[in-house]
Amino acid sequence: EAGVAQSPRYKIIEKRQSVAFWCNPISGHATLYWYQQILGQGPKLLIQFQNNGVVDDSQLPKDRFSAERLKGVDSTLKIQPAKLEDSAVYLCASSSAGRTRDEQFFGPGTRLTVL
Amino acid sequence: AQSVTQLDSHVSVSEGTPVLLRCNYSSSYSPSLFWYVQHPNKGLQLLLKYTSAATLVKGINGFEAEFKKSETSFHLTKPSAHMSDAAEYFCAGGATNKLIFGTGTLLAVQP
Repeated sequence: EAGVAQSPRYKIIEKRQSVAFWCNPISGHATLYWYQQILGQGPKLLIQFQNNGVVDDSQLPKDRFSAERLKGVDSTLKIQPAKLEDSAVYLCASSSAGRTRDEQFFGPGTRLTVL
Repeated sequence: AQSVTQLDSHVSVSEGTPVLLRCNYSSSYSPSLFWYVQHPNKGLQLLLKYTSAATLVKGINGFEAEFKKSETSFHLTKPSAHMSDAAEYFCAGGATNKLIFGTGTLLAVQP
């Protein structure tokens, strides 16, 4: 079974530029998550999709971050414009049904450096 | 409100000695609790989870954890550390639909 795919793996940009990350979840998984992991901290949920609808985006900085999951499969996370404090690893995860007790499967992450 | 606290940011053990990584949680409801491991430049991998069944949970690679409601703890243990166990470990918990992660414990294994 293929795992969660993410690209790119690494990205370096200057502040005020825009960037986009892509995620392909495990086939058949209804729930998709984007997490931000700042160095030295645990992952923090940015947004959760159930199929192509948003379940929770309470911690997404909506003035600069946006995400979509068209057709309930792949997802993109965009930052525009980027700030220095956005330097982090962005993790995508998926689960079969989105219940708290369900295992989340994580991709390898995209490491973003904002200069 | 929910919270997960990992009590040690770094733990160092010698190969072949026991491992103890500590995690406390706070939740108004009976939580689901997880331990994930993250090797460098890799995604998080599930070690084990507790979801209100047996309080002693066995996971992969010889790890286990015990849910103690009276102590609000979910500590991760392994009888004998291996060099390949060196990684960062995250405790996570949730009672609603959102998982809260601890800040992680970096485990070093000395030869």
